[in-house]
This record gives sequence, C-alpha cells and structure tokens, in this order.
Amino acid sequence: DVVLTQTPSTLSATIGQSVSISCRSSQSLLDSAGNTYLYWYLQRPGQSPQLLIYLVSNLGSGVPNRFSGSGSGTDFTLKISGVEAEDLGVYYCMQATHAPYTFGAGTKLELK
Amino acid sequence: EVQLVESGGGLVQPGASLKLSCVASGFTFSDYWMSWVRQTPGKTMEWIGDIKYDGSYTNYAPSLKNRFTISRDNAKSTLYLQMSNVRSEDTATYYCTRDLGYWGQGVMVTVSS
Repeated sequence: DVVLTQTPSTLSATIGQSVSISCRSSQSLLDSAGNTYLYWYLQRPGQSPQLLIYLVSNLGSGVPNRFSGSGSGTDFTLKISGVEAEDLGVYYCMQATHAPYTFGAGTKLELK
Repeated sequence: EVQLVESGGGLVQPGASLKLSCVASGFTFSDYWMSWVRQTPGKTMEWIGDIKYDGSYTNYAPSLKNRFTISRDNAKSTLYLQMSNVRSEDTATYYCTRDLGYWGQGVMVTVSS
C-alpha cells in the first residue's frame, strides 16, 4: 500500500499567518494517463471531512482561495495564505491513484 | 444541495453482521461512483471501497474484501455497506462519499460484547 507521510503532525499558527503542510508519498502518484489523484481535506471538530483540493491543485467547490495545493510525483504541499479561525482542525491528504486508496495521519492546525 | 445521510450503525457484538445505508439527494445518484471510508476512534482514516455508478464494478481494500460488501440501489438513491463477522477493530465512524468529494455526516459502529 502507498504510505503518505504528513508533516508536521501539529501546527500552531496565529490568525493571518501563512502555513504549509507537506504530504510525501512512498511512490509516485502520477498514473499512466498523466493524472495525479492527490486530495486534501479539512476535518473541523465534530464534523465530517470537507474536500479542499483535488488533483493536487484544484480548489473544491466553495473553498476559499487562501487555500492552494502544489506538488508532483511524491511530494505535495497544502498552503494556507492567511489562516482564519474557521481553518482550525485536522488536515488530511489522500491518494486515489493506487488501490487501496490511503490517507495521511493528519496535521492538526491549532491557534498559537 | 448534495446530501448524504448514513444510518444503520450502533452497538453490535463480535461476529455479528450489520448493514449500513446511505441515502443520497441533491444530485443524480446513478451518475456517480460512491465510496465508503471509515475513521477509527484514534482518528485514522481508512478507505473501505467504492462502487461504479451502475453497480457493475466494486473495488475494496484487500484487508476488508472478504467481510465487507458494497452495493447500491439507484432507484432508491441508496448506497449500502454489508459488514459481516465484525471485529472490535471495525469500531469506527463510517462515512459514505460521492466521488470522494462530498461526505455524509457519518454513522458510528461499535463492536463490543
């Protein structure tokens, strides 16, 4: 199975600060058709996961543009440009290139 | 508005069977692949499997393939997860998702004697 390693596990930020989360894969997520099925989700406390980014860098429906995704192959990054209070929670990356699809362990974003 | 509402969870004894349902609304159910994902009490996320929009193909996590079955009824806009011979490690919140993009609110399953 593909292992996704997220760092850091915990991130402390102030409102307005820009932060980044890394997601590294144990193998390339580029498929034979040239697609990279790397997703980012935010799970706020007591809620189900919400899609933020799909296919590495595409913003989900209704997601603010302070969120951005980048990367290729095995290295991916989620950036929040100006953290807001509603961004607090746990961020997960997920890959759907290789079955079984797998998730990172999560990064908890908290207020400093 | 896309809505996914899971049901059928609860407390179940080890070795028993359980069937979860997910009723979809706000979109044409028969146009989309659907998935089940679970989250353990320790917050680990695990993909269970998915099913093609017409129900003709399913894909499972190998570790669950022999005990879990995903099906759908497009006439009822409902997705199912049949769980058999459940174990304590199946204790989790179970989510249905549309194409991994929209998630339901989840249903808790606790396996304990």
